[in-house]
Amino acid sequence: QSALTQPASVSGSPGQSITISCTGTSSDVGGYNYVSWYQQHPGKAPKLMIYEVSNRPSGVSNRFSGSKSGNTASLTISGLQAEDEADYYCSSYTSSSTPWVFGGGTKLTVL
Amino acid sequence: EVQLVESGGGLVKPGGSLRLSCAASGFTFSSYSMNWVRQAPGKGLEWVSSISSSSSYIYYADSVKGRFTISRDNAKNSLYLQMNSLRAEDTAVYYCARDVLTVRGADWGQGTLVTVSS
Repeated sequence: QSALTQPASVSGSPGQSITISCTGTSSDVGGYNYVSWYQQHPGKAPKLMIYEVSNRPSGVSNRFSGSKSGNTASLTISGLQAEDEADYYCSSYTSSSTPWVFGGGTKLTVL
Repeated sequence: EVQLVESGGGLVKPGGSLRLSCAASGFTFSSYSMNWVRQAPGKGLEWVSSISSSSSYIYYADSVKGRFTISRDNAKNSLYLQMNSLRAEDTAVYYCARDVLTVRGADWGQGTLVTVSS
């Protein structure tokens, strides 16, 4: 069982917006602003999309945005495109003995 | 351009050993913490181990503690993962990933597949 909880799947039509949630505890998501989101296409390596809750690395589309409220972080993708279809993972710093924890991943389907 | 290239994966019998390598280029390797993250077939990402820039701080997931050893050679711009007493459940693609300041996994390699099977 993953330390952070994500929905197994979400879907949306091209042009729509979707939000993926990532729920942790006060020892990880809720306690620190060190939440990241990664995109992974089949057979490819993960790619950093959001860091420190809401920051985008250079080159990442501004259609991707992040936020946090309490122990739950969220990734929103607006103006869905076919190439956004992928698996998305959240991660967080944690005060436990494990310095890096991931969510179980969410499969995004663009209908 | 940052490049991380893993190698050393393959098929190994249960109880066997394997050493993974990650060759880094495009940045000052000795200045960054590094990690190994794995992904079992059809499963999610699992953090395995982390090492600080000077090797002063090393961490392991409970699932590999006592069996895996992370190390680095800053002169060779390389990260390693020595894996002993391998089990079927260690079967996965192993990625090396670079931290940049507070950002874990800012950059990732393409991964190397480890298969533990008799």
